[in-house]
Amino acid sequence: GAGVSQSPRYKVAKRGQDVALRCDPISGHVSLFWYQQALGQGPEFLTYFQNEAQLDKSGLPSDRFFAERPEGSVSTLKIQRTQQEDSAVYLCASSSMGRTNTEAFFGQGTRLTVV
Amino acid sequence: AQSVTQLDSQVPVFEEAPVELRCNYSSSVSVYLFWYVQYPNQGLQLLLKYLSGSTLVKGINGFEAEFNKSQTSFHLRKPSVHISDTAEYFCAVSEPGDDYKLSFGAGTTVTVRA
Repeated sequence: GAGVSQSPRYKVAKRGQDVALRCDPISGHVSLFWYQQALGQGPEFLTYFQNEAQLDKSGLPSDRFFAERPEGSVSTLKIQRTQQEDSAVYLCASSSMGRTNTEAFFGQGTRLTVV
Repeated sequence: AQSVTQLDSQVPVFEEAPVELRCNYSSSVSVYLFWYVQYPNQGLQLLLKYLSGSTLVKGINGFEAEFNKSQTSFHLRKPSVHISDTAEYFCAVSEPGDDYKLSFGAGTTVTVRA
């Protein structure tokens, strides 16, 4: 597709359930990012991939959060044993450049609600 | 580490009036600066960016921003807004050493009224 695609758009999970959020970046984009946007806040950095290598995961809030990009294209953000504080919009972005984040293209996000 | 403060959470404005959205950042080093816009039900879209050079930056849709190093500010302006400018606007910074990582402000919701 022409842009960054995320699925599902909406996800409701019961507390304690595991979830997997998918991101399809723009074809050929080297860099991929995940951000978390809580209600009324700006996005916060979670993790960064360059191709299949996860170069920075310093923003992941706990060891329940795990991201992968095994073939350097599609990425999955997995959250284990979801908690209410995990409710947020999860944004994926991709960029054609390596470490120079001069323009990142964002998907529409996945809205996760933990009940 | 950088922090970004957007001083106004909500800005109502009449159509064809000017608008200014304020952004201040705190950083001890040089930064890259960005403004993103999020229209309803859409992803974040880059409006403009400052990397170096001229402090007045022009972006898409008639927006411009001015980098002021002494005041650590990067305010966004548009001389005449349209109904279609109704959206949420985010200021963001990154540092050249970690330039893949954006730190965002909390956002400013602009509502344009006829």
